Amino acid sequence: EPEVTQTPSHQVTQMGQEVILRCVPISNHLYFYWYRQILGQKVEFLVSFYNNEISEKSEIFDDQFSVERPDGSNFTLKIRSTKLEDSAMYFCASRRTGDEGYTFGSGTRLTVV
Amino acid sequence: AQTVTQSQPEMSVQEAETVTLSCTYDTSESDYYLFWYKQPPSRQMILVIRQEAYKQQNATENRFSVNFQKAAKSFSLKISDSQLGDAAMYFCAILDGNYQLIWGAGTKLIIKP
Repeated sequence: EPEVTQTPSHQVTQMGQEVILRCVPISNHLYFYWYRQILGQKVEFLVSFYNNEISEKSEIFDDQFSVERPDGSNFTLKIRSTKLEDSAMYFCASRRTGDEGYTFGSGTRLTVV
Repeated sequence: AQTVTQSQPEMSVQEAETVTLSCTYDTSESDYYLFWYKQPPSRQMILVIRQEAYKQQNATENRFSVNFQKAAKSFSLKISDSQLGDAAMYFCAILDGNYQLIWGAGTKLIIKP
């Protein structure tokens, strides 16, 4: 069964450093998302991406965050200058059409120290 | 704004028994999609079951079924013949008009052997 692949599975970074979280969505999917889940809290929407541009973003997705789909397969989330409160599980998701469930990746656990 | 409420932070069930996880939601949309996702200790997000609001018939996937009450805005998940591998966090979610998932806080399901 097709999968959404996220790398790395766990990343530790120092506060203030830039991180790039990588995702390979399912190949025929058109809509891409990043969500995050701080330990013990709700899953939160960060951003949606369609047709090579951001379609929606939440208040969390401030200027420190950016997304890119540079080569038609990878979908990346960059955090420019990480803060301690960015520590969370980051999930990439994709879907093909509007009425299908999302397929989630296994997540990247980001720890900012 | 759409909201999803899971009023049971934790539920436990004896192996092989049946358990029902509750979820209520609020939306002004007439057509929408509802989902249950499972998050095992690995923290991967796995789709369990989905329901289209325009369909009156309750969705079923093997041991998992829903009781969808559109007028009451209720979407409970029933797990029959509970197995140890069912132990996980279960999240209810609604797909909003912008095709973003709005999540409940989750219910931790414990399976007693």
